[in-house]
Amino acid sequence: TQTVSQSDAHVTVFEGDSVELRCNYSYGGSIYLSWYIQHHGHGLQFLLKYYSGNPVVQGVNGFEAEFSKSDSSFHLRKASVHWSDSAVYFCAVSGVNTGNYKYVFGAGTRLKVIA
Amino acid sequence: EAAVTQSPRSKVAVTGGKVTLSCHQTNNHDYMYWYRQDTGHGLRLIHYSYVADSTEKGDIPDGYKASRPSQENFSLILELASLSQTAVYFCASSEPGEVFFGKGTRLTVV
Repeated sequence: TQTVSQSDAHVTVFEGDSVELRCNYSYGGSIYLSWYIQHHGHGLQFLLKYYSGNPVVQGVNGFEAEFSKSDSSFHLRKASVHWSDSAVYFCAVSGVNTGNYKYVFGAGTRLKVIA
Repeated sequence: EAAVTQSPRSKVAVTGGKVTLSCHQTNNHDYMYWYRQDTGHGLRLIHYSYVADSTEKGDIPDGYKASRPSQENFSLILELASLSQTAVYFCASSEPGEVFFGKGTRLTVV
């Protein structure tokens, strides 16, 4: 069974602070991991993804994520947040084999950035 | 330009009525999905498809049907809408590792 766990439902930080949003997964086999952002009232937009290679991947707007096979984690980070980063962030996992592109999403973490 | 387009963007339906939500993608992707999102919650997969004329059940298919008449189009059908189906519905297409979402359809069943 594929599962994605985002342990923090809500995270609040001040503008300029760093932030880490946590994601842990359970999946057998080779996977893609990805992060998405959803601003209030909008659809989800892609931030970044990981498949192989350098475990630290860079995304849009200064976001990066680090893959850890030993911890089954793919945490999202940003060094200095802006008020516009306030949104809900979703982590997702999917298989890589043809016929197995079913994506499983976490419940989301709501990030609130205080100006 | 939007690559995944949903219509309508919002709809009010009566209990017991039939509702069809439409989705069109210009990404040339094989995989398409329908998710529902309830207020303050994550995404739940209803149906998906990886080839025209074929659909697969997701995690919550009860009360929903899907149709994929072409690679570009994927519809979600509620034959007998119920109050519990009030939610925001997202259509998406995907390539390996990345999902492209539509803007969503807000469905209210009264």
